[in-house]
Formats: sequence, structure tokens, C-alpha cells
Amino acid sequence: GAGVSQSPSNKVTEKGKDVELRCDPISGHTALYWYRQSLGQGLEFLIYFQGNSAPDKSGLPSDRFSAERTGGSVSTLTIQRTQQEDSAVYLCASSLNLGSPLHFGNGTRLTVT
Amino acid sequence: RKEVEQDPGPFNVPEGATVAFNCTYSNSASQSFFWYRQDCRKEPKLLMSVYSSGNEDGRFTAQLNRASQYISLLIRDSKLSDSATYLCVVNKGAQKLVFGQGTRLTINP
Repeated sequence: GAGVSQSPSNKVTEKGKDVELRCDPISGHTALYWYRQSLGQGLEFLIYFQGNSAPDKSGLPSDRFSAERTGGSVSTLTIQRTQQEDSAVYLCASSLNLGSPLHFGNGTRLTVT
Repeated sequence: RKEVEQDPGPFNVPEGATVAFNCTYSNSASQSFFWYRQDCRKEPKLLMSVYSSGNEDGRFTAQLNRASQYISLLIRDSKLSDSATYLCVVNKGAQKLVFGQGTRLTINP
């Protein structure tokens, strides 16, 4: 069956531009997470959606970062006025419900020049 | 104290050896535990869930010690292909899953 799908797989943007990253979770999965990972580093939690509850935004590094999840399915992570330190792989993951294992997408590699 | 802590390694062991990692967690109410592996420049993939009674999958054994609040992963007869970063994951009470920083393992021929 279809797994978690992320697009684009690669994105190169100029400093100061806005970018949108998309995540299509596995159908029926109620939980959706965004992480970012710099080369050689661990996963950095960004935001978590669970069903219709208010998202846990505690990991967003600045107000330039925002995310939404429409209709409990597709999610978009938006980074405004990108900076070079935003360069990383952005990973999306979904799980069937609370406490279930996560399934990751292949990630979006963002490069800010 | 971090919510989930792992020894970052690196662990370098010869092929065929047995290697074990521990992962400690701070929230005694945690209920779900997993081990993931992540290969270089790839996304994390579920290796195994960790059950209260312990569980085994081929050469891999996972155990949970609730009293001391840690989970462990044992790899027997290690293969070159086992080289990866191993991540433990713990649910934060009734909330989101939390990842450790990972333990890097290299199996040497």
C-alpha cells in the first residue's frame, strides 16, 4: 500500500524566500509529525498533529515556521523568509493512533543558498 | 534530564560479535516503546516494538525494564549490514512519541 509521501524531494531556494513542504500521510492515520534533521545530527521535533486536537507546536524554532493539516489528512509545513540555517532534511511521519509506531516519508532536502 | 537518552557511541564491533544498547526514559507513565534504525541519508525505519515481556526477532532482542526506566536492544551475530544509527522511541505519557538522539553502530569486517 501507499506509504507517507513527501514533496518535493529536493528544494533549493534563495535566502529570504518562502517555501512550502507537503506531506501526505498514510490513509486513516490520525497522528502526523514533522521533524528536521541536519547532516550527522539527530531528529529535531517540530510539530505534532493528533486527530482534531490542537497541534503541539512546541518544537517550532521560530515564528517563521508554521504548519497546518487540512481535513485531518495532508499537511503543509511553511517556512517564511528562509535562512541558511534552515537547510536540512525535513521528515514527515504518521501513525495510526496514539502510541502506534511512526511511518516516515522519504523527506524533503531543503537547501537555502 | 532529557526525556529519552541514548549513548551516542560510536560503537565499533567486529562482525559476528554481540552488541547491546540501552536507552533510558524519564516519564514513568510511558507506555509505548520502539527501536528504529536509520541508515545514512535515509529516513528512520521501524526495527521492532518493545513489549513488557520482551521480544525477539531473529538476531534482535528488545527488553523493557520499567523499574529502572530503560529499554535495551541486543544484536547477536552482528552483520556488516547492521551498521546504522539505532534510535529508541518512547511515548511521552499520553502524548507524542519522543526520539532519542541515536546510537551509531559500525560493524567491522
